[in-house]
Amino acid sequence: QVQLVQSGAEVQRPGASVKLSCKASGYRLTSHYIHWVRQAPGQGLEWMGMINPTDGRPMTLQARLIMTRDTSTSTVYMEMLSLRSEDTAVYWCVRERVGDYAFDIWGQGTMVTVSS
Amino acid sequence: SYELTQPPSVSVSPGQTANITCSGHNLGDKYASWYQQKPGQSPILVIYQDVKRPSGIPERFSGSNSGNTATLTISGTLAMDEADYYCQAWDSSILYAFGTGTKVTVL
Repeated sequence: QVQLVQSGAEVQRPGASVKLSCKASGYRLTSHYIHWVRQAPGQGLEWMGMINPTDGRPMTLQARLIMTRDTSTSTVYMEMLSLRSEDTAVYWCVRERVGDYAFDIWGQGTMVTVSS
Repeated sequence: SYELTQPPSVSVSPGQTANITCSGHNLGDKYASWYQQKPGQSPILVIYQDVKRPSGIPERFSGSNSGNTATLTISGTLAMDEADYYCQAWDSSILYAFGTGTKVTVL
């Protein structure tokens, strides 16, 4: 069964960092790009960036996002620095269909709360 | 950034057709996908590459994309289709972008 399993909920202070994990199973990690998408409470979906698991090359919209991968454990990570209250959201890791530019497998989501 | 605009809400009677639009500059030149999201759940891909359905998605879901508008059509709408729907586009210049989302209510 193809799935992405994400790490648990996080509560962080403003200014802190958080590192989320996403473990792929049921397929070879290096065969698909992995993206990160978030949704603030009551808001729409926001694409944040992606990583090519084959070479580890990331492409992100914000410099404070760090995306990495560990092919030995089929796990992708996203670290977000300098957290702000506006970063409170559900974060998903998402698999891209090869060549289709669409997201076919979504993780279960990780709630990140940034609050003092 | 690239903006994709959707109507905030669409209402449809059971068994009728719902059309959900997604507008963006030259959207017809880009690949469009659609996602269904029910409360508290992860989104599900229902249409990709404008018109294709992933396996397991019912035939009542169809898509089109031309000019500045992509459209998701739900034919013979069921109560279980009540959800939020998001369009998404890809282009080498914009990378990936999501629409503003549409809440579909089945009355």
